[in-house]
Amino acid sequence: EPEVTQTPSHQVTQMGQEVILRCVPISNHLYFYWYRQILGQKVEFLVSFYNNEISEKSEIFDDQFSVERPDGSNFTLKIRSTKLEDSAMYFCASSVNVFDTQYFGPGTRLTVL
Amino acid sequence: QQQVKQSPQSLIVQKGGISIINCAYENTAFDYFPWYQQFPGKGPALLIAIRPDVSEKKEGRFTISFNKSAKQFSLHIMDSQPGDSATYFCAAKYSGAGSYQLTFGKGTKLSVIP
Repeated sequence: EPEVTQTPSHQVTQMGQEVILRCVPISNHLYFYWYRQILGQKVEFLVSFYNNEISEKSEIFDDQFSVERPDGSNFTLKIRSTKLEDSAMYFCASSVNVFDTQYFGPGTRLTVL
Repeated sequence: QQQVKQSPQSLIVQKGGISIINCAYENTAFDYFPWYQQFPGKGPALLIAIRPDVSEKKEGRFTISFNKSAKQFSLHIMDSQPGDSATYFCAAKYSGAGSYQLTFGKGTKLSVIP
């Protein structure tokens, strides 16, 4: 069964450093998403991406965040200058269309020291 | 308006018992209500979903009950098994133009004890 994959599984970084989280969505999916989950809290939407542009973003997704689909398979989330409060599990998801089920990857645990 | 409130935060059920998790929403524009199951170290996986044109949907041991007037929906797990022990998230989504995000509840950690 096709699945969303994410790398790395765990990323440790120093405050102020840039990080790039990588995702490979399911191959025939056209809509891509990033969510995050701070430890013990709910899953929160960050951004959705379709046709090589951002289609919706939340208040969390400020100028420190960016997304890119650099090739036909990868989807990345970049945090330019990490803060302590960026420490969370980051989930990538994808769907065939906007009405379809969103399938989540296993997540990347980001720890900012 | 965008909140989905989920209860209880944690639940312990005997094997064979019924697990019930409740969610309430505020935004009447929501028209898609999925439940996700998450095991430790894994991402959320869709368990079952419902749209407001039906009041109940059943898939195996899992049933969603939906009350549109009360803006509430619940997940019932019949004959709960230790393998059902996981965190369950309800979510809601508006399918209209320009809306892509799922709004999640805070999650319920279910423990099924033998």
